[in-house]
Amino acid sequence: AQSVTQPDIHITVSEGASLELRCNYSYGATPYLFWYVQSPGQGLQLLLKYFSGDTLVQGIKGFEAEFKRSQSSFNLRKPSVHWSDAAEYFCAVAPPVTGGYNKLIFGAGTRLAVHP
Amino acid sequence: DTAVSQTPKYLVTQMGNDKSIKCEQNLGHDTMYWYKQDSKKFLKIMFSYNNKELIINETVPNRFSPKSPDKAHLNLHINSLELGDSAVYFCASSQDLPSGTLQADTQYFGPGTRLTVL
Repeated sequence: AQSVTQPDIHITVSEGASLELRCNYSYGATPYLFWYVQSPGQGLQLLLKYFSGDTLVQGIKGFEAEFKRSQSSFNLRKPSVHWSDAAEYFCAVAPPVTGGYNKLIFGAGTRLAVHP
Repeated sequence: DTAVSQTPKYLVTQMGNDKSIKCEQNLGHDTMYWYKQDSKKFLKIMFSYNNKELIINETVPNRFSPKSPDKAHLNLHINSLELGDSAVYFCASSQDLPSGTLQADTQYFGPGTRLTVL
C-alpha cells in the first residue's frame, strides 16, 4: 500500500538557520511527489512538486526539495528560515498518471516553529 | 479574488443534526475534492468529482453525501452528525491534465471549515 512518512512531528529552528524536513514514501513505482504548507488557520498551499527530470526541484518561498530514488525520499530544504515560515508542512504522493488528476496521499505533517 | 472558497468557516452543532458545507471554485477546474483533517492534522481524501461525476469515494460513511450541481461547486452534506465527525474539512480543485501528459497537477485548497460536534 502507498504510504508517506514524515518522521519529525515537530521541529524548532532559529531564524536564519537552515532547515531540512524529511519525507519517505512507500510505493511500487516512483510516484509524483509534493510538498504543501499550511499556515495557522489557512488552507494548504503547494510549495513544489516532482514528477520527472531533474531530481532537485525549486519551489516558492525559497524552498527546494531533492528526490532520491535509492532512499525513497523527498526532503524539503531551505537555506535560511524566516519567522514567517512557521507552519505545518505536508509531504504527499500520488500514483503517476498520464492525464487526468492526481489522488494525493498525505503524510502526517511536520510542525515547524521558528525562534527569533 | 478567492480561488477556492468554503462556507461556513466555522460550524458548531449538536450530535444528530444534519449540516452542509459548500465549496465553490472560480478557477475553471474540472476536478474537485473533499478532504478531512482530524485533530492530529492528518489529512485524508474523502471524495472527488470530475465534471460533476463521482470518481473517488474513500470508504466514507454514507451519512456523508457530496453533491456537485455544476463543475464549479461541490457541496458536502452530513446526516446524523457524530462526535467523531469533528474535524476541519477542506475542499480543493485541480485542472485535468491532457491525456498522455506525464505531469503532476496542482490541487488548490480552500481555507477549510472547522466542524465541531457537541
